[in-house]
Amino acid sequence: AQSVTQPDIHITVSEGASLELRCNYSYGATPYLFWYVQSPGQGLQLLLKYFSGDTLVQGIKGFEAEFKRSQSSFNLRKPSVHWSDAAEYFCAVGPSGGSYIPTFGRGTSLIVHP
Amino acid sequence: DTGVSQDPRHKITKRGQNVTFRCDPISEHNRLYWYRQTLGQGPEFLTYFQNEAQLEKSRLLSDRFSAERPKGSFSTLEIQRTEQGDSAMYLCASSLGQKEAFFGQGTRLTVV
Repeated sequence: AQSVTQPDIHITVSEGASLELRCNYSYGATPYLFWYVQSPGQGLQLLLKYFSGDTLVQGIKGFEAEFKRSQSSFNLRKPSVHWSDAAEYFCAVGPSGGSYIPTFGRGTSLIVHP
Repeated sequence: DTGVSQDPRHKITKRGQNVTFRCDPISEHNRLYWYRQTLGQGPEFLTYFQNEAQLEKSRLLSDRFSAERPKGSFSTLEIQRTEQGDSAMYLCASSLGQKEAFFGQGTRLTVV
């Protein structure tokens, strides 16, 4: 079965600093990978996705992520964090092949200090 | 394209009552998912439809839970005899095939 691990429950950064949120997945085949963001009381918004091809993918709001097959990782990065980036971030392994269900990690809460 | 719509946004109910939530997916999307999310956790899969067929259900989905997607368009999730442990955010998502899932705003259920 597929699974996703987000090892950091909370991350605190200063506004303007760089950010990296970690995501590791377990999946038997080539995965589809996603990052979503959730503000309090809201649904999930897609930041970016990886299906195939270039392993460095660009998303909305200045985010990017890199797929590293050898490390089973899909870490999310942003060069300069804004206070409005404070939210919950979820990594997900999507349907691919025989497994049709997007599976989510437990999330990383991003706190931004002024 | 108005996105995934869920109704109601909030529901407060007394323990033992039945509740029903509705989800309207993006119109051309053939897949529809229901998830449950509790505080500090990621979304947990409940059930999944492809068109009108319910193809998979999680073990989290007890026999008090039932979901339908009668014409392959909107879906309903019903919880019978609600318990306090059912309090959570219920999220609906839809996708076109195996592509990315788009989420609604969720229904926040509080059982008192």
